[in-house]
Amino acid sequence: GAGVSQSPRYKVAKRGQDVALRCDPISGHVSLFWYQQALGQGPEFLTYFQNEAQLDKSGLPSDRFFAERPEGSVSTLKIQRTQQEDSAVYLCASRGQGGGTEAFFGQGTRLTVV
Amino acid sequence: GDSVTQMEGPVTLSEEAFLTINCTYTATGYPSLFWYVQYPGEGLQLLLKATKADDKGSNKGFEATYRKETTSFHLEKGSVQVSDSAVYFCALSDQTGGYQKVTFGTGTKLQVIP
Repeated sequence: GAGVSQSPRYKVAKRGQDVALRCDPISGHVSLFWYQQALGQGPEFLTYFQNEAQLDKSGLPSDRFFAERPEGSVSTLKIQRTQQEDSAVYLCASRGQGGGTEAFFGQGTRLTVV
Repeated sequence: GDSVTQMEGPVTLSEEAFLTINCTYTATGYPSLFWYVQYPGEGLQLLLKATKADDKGSNKGFEATYRKETTSFHLEKGSVQVSDSAVYFCALSDQTGGYQKVTFGTGTKLQVIP
C-alpha cells in the first residue's frame, strides 16, 4: 500500500516479556519517527531516523527501549522486559524532504502489558 | 525546547455551532504548523498546515492562521457536524539537531451532538 504500515495492530505482553514492533514507512521517505501515545495524551517523541542513521534517541524512556532501521526503510522498535507503564499506542511516521512537509502516520500498535 | 499548548477538552458542541480550538506554541526557530485529527479507532491524519507567518491553512471547512506575533495557530470551523467528532492535535515542525522534529500538543477531544 501507499501509506505507513505498522504491525501488529495489537499486542498483549506479559510483564517482563520482550516485544518487537514493526514499521513499514512510505517508500522513499528518508525520515522516520517513533512516538509513544499514552491514553488521552498527545504523541510523545521517542526517536528519529534519517535513512539508517538514528540521529536522535533522546525520547527513549529507558535503556529497555531500542530502535533500528538497518537498511533505511523498515524500522523495528524493541522493548525489553516490558513493564506496565510501557502500555501505550506506539506510532510510526515517515516524512519526505522539506521543512513544511507533513509526517504521515501509521495506525499504530496498541501495546498492553499485563 | 519546542512546545505546543492547546486547550483542554472535551469540547462539546451542538451540530452547526462555531468551533474554536486554541493552540499556542514555543519554538526556537521558525516552525511549520499543523493540525492533525484522530477519528475514533483510526490513525493520525493531517487536517491542515501553514508554513509561514500569516498563511492560512484550510481543509474540510476548518481553518487556522499562522500568527507569529501571538505564536498561535487556532483551529476554527463555522458549522460543525457530528462527523467532526474526533481528537484534534496541534503540532509544529522545527529544525533541531540537524533535522525537522515534530512536536505535538496533548490533543483536544471534540464531541458534536445532534
